Amino acid sequence: DAKTTQPNSMESNEEEPVHLPCNHSTISGTDYIHWYRQLPSQGPEYVIHGLTSNVNNRMASLAIAEDRKSSTLILHRATLRDAAVYYCIELGAQKLVFGQGTRLTINP
Amino acid sequence: GAGVSQSPSNKVTEKGKDVELRCDPISGHTALYWYRQSLGQGLEFLIYFQGNSAPDKSGLPSDRFSAERTGGSVSTLTIQRTQQEDSAVYLCASSLRSGSFYEQYFGPGTRLTVT
Repeated sequence: DAKTTQPNSMESNEEEPVHLPCNHSTISGTDYIHWYRQLPSQGPEYVIHGLTSNVNNRMASLAIAEDRKSSTLILHRATLRDAAVYYCIELGAQKLVFGQGTRLTINP
Repeated sequence: GAGVSQSPSNKVTEKGKDVELRCDPISGHTALYWYRQSLGQGLEFLIYFQGNSAPDKSGLPSDRFSAERTGGSVSTLTIQRTQQEDSAVYLCASSLRSGSFYEQYFGPGTRLTVT
């Protein structure tokens, strides 16, 4: 079973920032927090991952709480192409265990 | 560079037939994973290969499912005596190494329909 908790859906407007929350209260000290997204009719796509420090890449930023029990994926300026299901995953063992994710809708 | 490729992209088969699904991982990636996504369901892990180690088969739903990885590269997922509940999108992913630090890259998937 997935160990993370995410809202089922979120909605935002184009060109505005989006903050997608995730709770992982039972995370172990060595598990990385991974985020993937799945656009309609496509395979999952890696977004970002981190352990303790906040992380930035060309797609997004990941803010990790000091106690590591929660994190937030930040899309700085959403576009229509960012509409997808976003999955937050604790990766300890090798395999990804996907929950239901957050379905993000972007309004033009 | 080239990503993960899978073939065929679509496969329609009759109940009871065997099918083989192929995955070509990213060159140099030592870890390879198979997942499946049934209609309206989430993604579930099937099997994982890391180098020459014995694969982790803990997600295979029945003994009709098997997979092999030849030469540490290409992998084939075989489903024997297909059933209608096997209909799903089968996804392959690869990563540079196994372990929590490494991200996985997914292929486009093979959509399997069992009639």
